[in-house]
Amino acid sequence: EDKVVQSPLSLVVHEGDTVTLNCSYEVTNFRSLLWYKQEKKAPTFLFMLTSSGIEKKSGRLSSILDKKELFSILNITATQTGDSAIYLCAPKASGTYKYIFGTGTRLKVLA
Amino acid sequence: DTAVSQTPKYLVTQMGNDKSIKCEQNLGHDTMYWYKQDSKKFLKIMFSYNNKELIINETVPNRFSPKSPDKAHLNLHINSLELGDSAVYFCASLGSGTHTGELFFGEGSRLTVL
Repeated sequence: EDKVVQSPLSLVVHEGDTVTLNCSYEVTNFRSLLWYKQEKKAPTFLFMLTSSGIEKKSGRLSSILDKKELFSILNITATQTGDSAIYLCAPKASGTYKYIFGTGTRLKVLA
Repeated sequence: DTAVSQTPKYLVTQMGNDKSIKCEQNLGHDTMYWYKQDSKKFLKIMFSYNNKELIINETVPNRFSPKSPDKAHLNLHINSLELGDSAVYFCASLGSGTHTGELFFGEGSRLTVL
C-alpha cells in the first residue's frame, strides 16, 4: 500500500530561522510529488517535483527530490510569521490520477 | 473569478439528514476530485472523475454519492449523515497545459453534523 510520512508533525520557530520539512514516500511507480501550503482555507500550490536532484526555488522556499532514497524536502529560509501554515506533500504514481497526501507539518513562526 | 468554487461554504445539519455540496471549475480541466479533511488536517481522497467518468472511488461508505453532470461540475451527495462525516470537504481540479499535474483546490465546504 502506498504511504506518505511527513516530519516533523509540528514545528515552532522564530522569525529569521531556517526550517527543513521532510516528506518520505513509498509509492509504486512513482511519477511526481507536489508540495502545498495550507493556511486557513484551500491548499495553495508551491512546487511539483519529478526529477531527482533538481532544486525548485521560489523566493525563500526551495524543494528537492531524492528518488533513490524516496523523499523530498522543503526548505524555508529567513522564516516570517506569514509562513505559519500546514505544509502538505502529495506523491503520485504513473498512470494514475491519485495524489496521496501526507499528514502535513504544522509550522508556527513566532515574531 | 474563482477558479474552483464550492457551495455551500458552511453546512450545519442534524444526524440522519441528506445533504449535497456542489463544485464548479471554470479552468477547462478534465479531472476533478473530492477530498475530505478531518480535524487533524489529514486530506483523504474520496472520488475522482475524468470527463464525467468515475476513475477513483476510495473506500468510502456508499452513503456518499458523487455526480458529474459535465466536466466542469462535480457534486457530492451524502445520505443519512453521521457525526463522523463532520469535516471540511475540498473539491479540486487537475491542471493541464503549463499547469499539468497541479491540483487546484476550492475553498472547502465545512460540514458539521449535530
